[in-house]
Amino acid sequence: DQQVKQNSPSLSVQEGRISILNCDYTNSMFDYFLWYKKYPAEGPTFLISISSIKDKNEDGRFTVFLNKSAKHLSLHIVPSQPGDSAVYFCAASASGGYQKVTFGTGTKLQVIP
Amino acid sequence: DAGVIQSPRHEVTEMGQEVTLRCKPISGHNSLFWYRQTMMRGLELLIYFNNNVPIDDSGMPEDRFSAKMPNASFSTLKIQPSEPRDSAVYFCASSFSGGKFNEQFFGPGTRLTVL
Repeated sequence: DQQVKQNSPSLSVQEGRISILNCDYTNSMFDYFLWYKKYPAEGPTFLISISSIKDKNEDGRFTVFLNKSAKHLSLHIVPSQPGDSAVYFCAASASGGYQKVTFGTGTKLQVIP
Repeated sequence: DAGVIQSPRHEVTEMGQEVTLRCKPISGHNSLFWYRQTMMRGLELLIYFNNNVPIDDSGMPEDRFSAKMPNASFSTLKIQPSEPRDSAVYFCASSFSGGKFNEQFFGPGTRLTVL
């Protein structure tokens, strides 16, 4: 049972344009959401997060949007750069317990120069 | 800080052999996680340790998998006997448990191939 779903395995975008990566979740107990970025032969690294009390969080070129009613979040990268080419994992966590993080299957982004 | 260290980076073995993956977490971190990455299931949590004690091992697929954390600076994940379906990239991550959210820092992973 995949509680965090990334339905697009891959995405190609021209340099300078916007990249939009989508993520859906099924567990209504999730209240903290994260995006991790992974380059080949490296481990994932934390990129940006959002709490369920917000619907938007921005950090430079990266913005995460959360739609709680639709159980959907998205990561926007503007403008996209070739160095953004990587696999992006969406992840979610619930308060309480030890804050187990549940990851999606990832979306491979290719930014074309 | 060297970050999370994993060894070996690559492991190729034959079905039935024992495999041991090693992890050194970031100094000062008290939480350690083992994950497995596959195309179909993404990053799956196998086991979580807090202060060297296993807290959640519900993700360990079967009895062939075992994990230990004898001290705060070392953990192992063992597969015995290994099977071809165990082929995947295995990540170790560590964090400091405290505050609202604990960012996990991942190692570079061990790519395991079981022939």
